[in-house]
Amino acid sequence: EAGVAQSPRYKIIEKRQSVAFWCNPISGHATLYWYQQILGQGPKLLIQFQNNGVVDDSQLPKDRFSAERLKGVDSTLKIQPAKLEDSAVYLCASSIPQGQLGEGSYEQYFGPGTRLTVT
Amino acid sequence: AQSVTQLDSQVPVFEEAPVELRCNYSSSVSVYLFWYVQYPNQGLQLLLKYLSGSTLVKGINGFEAEFNKSQTSFHLRKPSVHISDTAEYFCAVSARGNTPLVFGKGTRLSVIA
Repeated sequence: EAGVAQSPRYKIIEKRQSVAFWCNPISGHATLYWYQQILGQGPKLLIQFQNNGVVDDSQLPKDRFSAERLKGVDSTLKIQPAKLEDSAVYLCASSIPQGQLGEGSYEQYFGPGTRLTVT
Repeated sequence: AQSVTQLDSQVPVFEEAPVELRCNYSSSVSVYLFWYVQYPNQGLQLLLKYLSGSTLVKGINGFEAEFNKSQTSFHLRKPSVHISDTAEYFCAVSARGNTPLVFGKGTRLSVIA
């Protein structure tokens, strides 16, 4: 079974530029998450999708971050304009929602992440 | 809301020695608990999880953890570590259901030959 795919793996941009990250979840996983992991910290949720709908975007800085999952499969996270403090690893994860496989289905599978450096 | 405190930011240990990585959580509702491992430049890999039932949970690579509801803890243990266990370890909690994970700040385990 293919895992969660993310691209690019690394990106370096200057502040005030824009950047986009792409995620393709495991086939059949209806729930998709984007997390931000700043160096030395644990990942923090940015946004959760269920199919193509947003479940939770309360921690997404909406003045500069946007995300979409138009067809309920792959997703794009965009930052415009980027700030120095956006330097982090952006992790995508997917899972199967409640009811399809029972209790064991709540595991989130993580992609390798995109390391963003803003200079 | 949930929160997680990993009590040690770094843990050095000699090869073949036992190790315990400590995790405490806070939540007003019932939770699921997880331990993830992150190797350099890689994503997160699930080590083990507690959903319900037996409070002693066994995971991959010889790790185990014990859920203690009264002490709101979920400490990770391994009886004998290997060099290959050197990595960052994250404790995480989520409310029951298909909900986001809340992570601790991580513990860097360094295994010394």
